Amino acid sequence: EVQLVESGGGLIQPGGSLRVSCAASGFTFNDYAMNWVRQAPGKGLEWVSYISSDSSTTYYGDSVKGRFTISRDNAKNSLSLQMNSVRAEDTAIYYCARGDSSGYDYWGQGTLVTVSS
Amino acid sequence: SFELIQPPSVSVSPGQTANIACSGDDLEERYVCWYQKKPGQSPVLVLYHDTKRPSGIPERFSGSNSGNTATLTISETQAVDEADYYCQAWDSSALVVFGGGTKLTVL
Repeated sequence: EVQLVESGGGLIQPGGSLRVSCAASGFTFNDYAMNWVRQAPGKGLEWVSYISSDSSTTYYGDSVKGRFTISRDNAKNSLSLQMNSVRAEDTAIYYCARGDSSGYDYWGQGTLVTVSS
Repeated sequence: SFELIQPPSVSVSPGQTANIACSGDDLEERYVCWYQKKPGQSPVLVLYHDTKRPSGIPERFSGSNSGNTATLTISETQAVDEADYYCQAWDSSALVVFGGGTKLTVL
């Protein structure tokens, strides 16, 4: 059974840093591209970042480019998102999702990140 | 910048057909995916490559993509289909764009 389990969310002050992670199981992790997608309270889905299966290619949404860094460890079946210089508008549930242009077929349950002083 | 526009809400009676539109420049030249999102749950992929259903998605869900508009069609709509629906596509730089979402009400 494919499972994606996020962790690392919490309360963080504006300007601070936080690292959220996603543990993958039930599939060959290094065969798949991965993504982070977020949903702010009362808002729609917003794509955050993409990483290819071998980490050679990464993309970022305009709202996080230069502040967030996506990475993966295929040996540990793990995906991460390093969030720096966070802002109030980064408050959201962060989901990891498996897939590429054929759609995101599996999603984690999400981890809540709250940016507030 | 590339944008996807969806109506904020669509209402349908049980058993009837719901159509949810997603508009964007030259959308027919891009693949579109659709997701169902219920409160407190993770999104679920219901269509990919405009018209293809992942395993486990009922045949009631279908799609089309022509011109500047992609459409998600839910036939014989049921109460369980009440949710937010999001379209997704990729811009010319391979960056992902989601539509703003459509709240489907079954009443």
